[in-house]
Amino acid sequence: AQSVAQPEDQVNVAEGNPLTVKCTYSVSGNPYLFWYVQYPNRGLQFLLKYITGDNLVKGSYGFEAEFNKSQTSFHLKKPSALVSDSALYFCAVRDMNAGNNRKLIWGLGTSLAVNP
Amino acid sequence: DAGVTQSPTHLIKTRGQQVTLRCSPKSGHDTVSWYQQALGQGPQFIFQYYEEEERQRGNFPDRFSGHQFPNYSSELNVNALLLGDSALYLCASRMGGRTEAFFGQGTRLTVV
Repeated sequence: AQSVAQPEDQVNVAEGNPLTVKCTYSVSGNPYLFWYVQYPNRGLQFLLKYITGDNLVKGSYGFEAEFNKSQTSFHLKKPSALVSDSALYFCAVRDMNAGNNRKLIWGLGTSLAVNP
Repeated sequence: DAGVTQSPTHLIKTRGQQVTLRCSPKSGHDTVSWYQQALGQGPQFIFQYYEEEERQRGNFPDRFSGHQFPNYSSELNVNALLLGDSALYLCASRMGGRTEAFFGQGTRLTVV
C-alpha cells in the first residue's frame, strides 16, 4: 500500500542551526516526491519536488531535499534555519506506476519551531 | 497570474444544510483536486476532476460531490452537513502528472 511517514510530530531548532524534517515513503513503483509548507490558516505552498535526475533537489526559501532510494527517504533540509521558517511541513508522494490511482499521498505533517 | 482562488474564505452553516465551495485553478492547469483538512491533520483527498469528469475519489461519502466546468473551474458540494464536516477545504490544481499541485488559500467551513 502507498504511504508516507513523517516520524516527528514536531521539530525544534535554534535560529541559525541546520534543520532536518524527515520523510519516508512506500510505493510499489516510481515515486514523485514533494514537500509543501503551510502557515497558520493558509493553504499549502509548494517547496520542492523530486521527479528524476539528481538526488539532491533545491527548492524555495533555501530548502533542499535528498532522495534516497535505498532508504526510501526524502528528508527536507536547510543549512541555517530562520524564525520565519516556523510552520507545518508536509511530505507527499505520487506513485507513477499506480495507473488511474495517481493521487497524492500525504504525510501527517511536522510542526517546525525555530527559536530565536 | 492569480494562482488558485477559492471562495468563500469562511463559511458558517447549520447541521443538515448544504454548501457549495468554488475553485478557480491556476492559469493553464486542467486538473483540480479537493482536500479536507481537519485541525491539526494533514490533507485528506476527496476527489479529482479532469476533463469535467471525476477521475479519482478518496474515502468520502456520497454527500460529497463535485463538478468541473469547461473553463476548468470546479465546485465542491456537501449535502446534509454534519458537525464533523467542519474543516479547511483546499483546492489544488496542476497540469499533467509530473508537475506539482498549487493550492488555494482554502475555505474554512464551520458547521454548528
